[in-house]
Amino acid sequence: GAGVSQSPSNKVTEKGKDVELRCDPISGHTALYWYRQRLGQGLEFLIYFQGNSAPDKSGLPSDRFSAERTGESVSTLTIQRTQQEDSAVYLCASSLVGFQPQHFGDGTRLSIL
Amino acid sequence: TQLLEQSPQFLSIQEGENLTVYCNSSSVFSSLQWYRQEPGEGPVLLVTVVTGGEVKKLKRLTFQFGDARKDSSLHITAAQPGDTGLYLCAGARAGGTSYGKLTFGQGTILTVHP
Repeated sequence: GAGVSQSPSNKVTEKGKDVELRCDPISGHTALYWYRQRLGQGLEFLIYFQGNSAPDKSGLPSDRFSAERTGESVSTLTIQRTQQEDSAVYLCASSLVGFQPQHFGDGTRLSIL
Repeated sequence: TQLLEQSPQFLSIQEGENLTVYCNSSSVFSSLQWYRQEPGEGPVLLVTVVTGGEVKKLKRLTFQFGDARKDSSLHITAAQPGDTGLYLCAGARAGGTSYGKLTFGQGTILTVHP
């Protein structure tokens, strides 16, 4: 498809398990962002990739969170030893370059039991 | 840390009424974007304003960027049930370590009743 694709759309897991979330950005978009959104809330910035530059990880809430991006394509967000407070929708967005309007995927709804 | 304060947090109105959502900050932004998000979907960009004092219209929606580029407003005329959703403002700063990052407000949940 032409938009940002995220998978899985829903993930339910037990506390303490690791989870991996995937984002396929729009082809040609050099910038990629991950956000966390709690129910009815705004977006909390997690991490930002721009081309080959070092990612801006300033929004990651703890060392249990990490993300990787292969070149200018797919990104994965990994949460280790999940906690109940990690339950949220994780949104990915991409843009042509940094600072341009962002195009969002539909998110992964993560539920930690 | 930059903060964008959005108000009101919740808005419940009848069809046909007018409303205004505000987005305020003590920081200057090079541009400000407004997004609308429906349940189960990602936010969708409505408009970007870049010039202080700029006004943009999108059908019944009017967006304004403050002269000092610290605040913005979204005004909806004659709201319809289809306008229901979460409205988010997001500010961008150019240059420095914040380049490319957006700071999002907490959002306004709008419900328009038929």
